Order: sequence, then structure tokens, then C-alpha cells
Amino acid sequence: NAGVTQTPKFQVLKTGQSMTLQCAQDMNHEYMSWYRQDPGMGLRLIHYSVGAGITDQGEVPNGYNVSRSTTEDFPLRLLSAAPSQTSVYFCASSYSSYSSNQPQHFGDGTRLSIL
Amino acid sequence: GNSVTQMEGPVTLSEEAFLTINCTYTATGYPSLFWYVQYPGEGLQLLLKATKADDKGSNKGFEATYRKETTSFHLEKGSVQVSDSAVYFCALSDYSRGGGNKLTFGTGTQLKVEL
Repeated sequence: NAGVTQTPKFQVLKTGQSMTLQCAQDMNHEYMSWYRQDPGMGLRLIHYSVGAGITDQGEVPNGYNVSRSTTEDFPLRLLSAAPSQTSVYFCASSYSSYSSNQPQHFGDGTRLSIL
Repeated sequence: GNSVTQMEGPVTLSEEAFLTINCTYTATGYPSLFWYVQYPGEGLQLLLKATKADDKGSNKGFEATYRKETTSFHLEKGSVQVSDSAVYFCALSDYSRGGGNKLTFGTGTQLKVEL
């Protein structure tokens, strides 16, 4: 199994550009989420999805958009990139959306720099 | 709301030393508790978990006990190796109806083990 696959691994953007970070999982997981990791701040939840067709905002959603048209895919869109969005982005999934004891599986991350 | 506090790093130890990384939490419900590890350039991997009070999670020589009375989940290892050098994250998962299986992370503790 590939697990959680994120593409691209690295990206440099100019301020104002848009882009989509891809996330796919092959484990038939119900729950998917996006986090950003910044120095000294741990991981913060951007958006999450409890199943296909259902998404909601996390702690830091501004400037990001998501959709979940299939169980496998959960892309994250930056609408108009800003330097404050320079970060490492992680996608994660877990088997159940409705059980707090389910561990989450993480991708290897996308390192994004906004100039 | 939920929160996780873990000790500041970096922590530098000699090989075979004893490791403790402190973690305390605040939660409104009955969370599950996790330790994740992040090796350089990689995503987060589950290290261990505990789902109820007094449970002990263990893996690869690491262990942590879910202490409800002190709201703590300290990570310990009796003899660290150079290969344990990584960043360690304490996290809690507290399912809520409509909110799914959200994780709240601490800020991470970097561990460096030297020969």
C-alpha cells in the first residue's frame, strides 16, 4: 500500500499565484485532514473531511479551499498565495471519522515557499 | 477548548541515557492520547497511543501512561540511541459529533542523541 501520497514535495510560488496541493490515500479511510507545520507552533488543522462530499474548517482555514469528491482524494487549494502561507503542509487520514482512538496516517509533506 | 503542552526542546542526550519528555493536556471530554515521531524530511509516524485512563502505550522501547488525575502523558525510554534523534509530538484526539476525529498537537520536542 502507498498509504497517504502528497504531491508535489516542494514548490515555490510568487505572491498572488494559486495552486493545488494533492493528497490521495488508498486505505479507504473515511476521515482526511490538512495541517500546516510552522516552527514552534506544532501542527495546526486547516480543513478536514468526515467523508466524501463533506468538508469543514479547522483552526486556520483562511486563504485555503478544499473539496472531497471521492473517498481517496482531498486536494488543498491556495487561492492567492501570501508569504504567511510559507510552511510545510501535511495531509493525514484515519479509518473512522467517529472514533477518537483511531491513529492518523500522514503523508511526507509538501514544503511550500511563497516569495 | 482542547490543548496540549509539551516541554521545550531541543533535548540533547548521550547514547544510553534515560529520556523523559513531559506532556500535559486539557480536554473537555475523554480523549485518546498519542505520541507521534517525525524523522528529518519525513511525515509524522505514530509511535504509541493510549485510549483510556491508566492505559500504557509502548513501542520500540518507548512508553507513556495515560494519567487522568494529573492530565499527563509523559514519554519515557530507558536507553536512547542515536537513531532516536527526531522530533516528538504529543497529541490528543477528541471525537465530537460533526467534528470528526480531530487531533490537537503540542509544539513538538526535538531530541538529539550523541555518541
